[in-house]
Amino acid sequence: EAQVTQNPRYLITVTGKKLTVTCSQNMNHEYMSWYRQDPGLGLRQIYYSMNVEVTDKGDVPEGYKVSRKEKRNFPLILESPSPNQTSLYFCASATRTGQDTQYFGPGTRLTVL
Amino acid sequence: SQQGEEDPQALSIQEGENATMNCSYKTSINNLQWYRQNSGRGLVHLILIRSNEREKHSGRLRVTLDTSKKSSSLLITASRAADTASYFCATDRNAGNMLTFGGGTRLMVKP
Repeated sequence: EAQVTQNPRYLITVTGKKLTVTCSQNMNHEYMSWYRQDPGLGLRQIYYSMNVEVTDKGDVPEGYKVSRKEKRNFPLILESPSPNQTSLYFCASATRTGQDTQYFGPGTRLTVL
Repeated sequence: SQQGEEDPQALSIQEGENATMNCSYKTSINNLQWYRQNSGRGLVHLILIRSNEREKHSGRLRVTLDTSKKSSSLLITASRAADTASYFCATDRNAGNMLTFGGGTRLMVKP
């Protein structure tokens, strides 16, 4: 089944404790992206990747890192999480670019205390 | 920045009625997409309309695009309780590399 998976689905952590949210897709998509969704602010793009070893900042990249060492994986790293990073995070993938249909993961609800 | 803005923010209708949601955007686009999100879950793609298209249909969905007004509308005909969800428009920018979502329309369909 074609899908985008994220782990963990739920996470409660404390300020400053490094964490990684994994994202994997099995559709051989070149484009992958991370979004955060906050009430009243909609979905905002954090980082995106056009292909292996090609990543770029979105609209809200501060406090986040990403890597794309393999085509199928695009982890989101929070080196020193802060309470303002409490949010619902979505990973998405698409065939080639942001113009294409995006396939979303189920989301990761992160709480930073 | 939010390129797309939906209107209305919330809509409540009875089952069987039609629901219309509007989206406005600011800059030139290649494509405009509509997505649906059930509460707290991942977004699901509904329909993609290219900038050179004016109207597109998919089942009970009808999407129009007016590039001169930088606006799009999503019409759901004969709505069902299962259509209750949030609906988002999304437009590409930055040479198609980025995707910007609007704030969404929360649709409630009462049985």
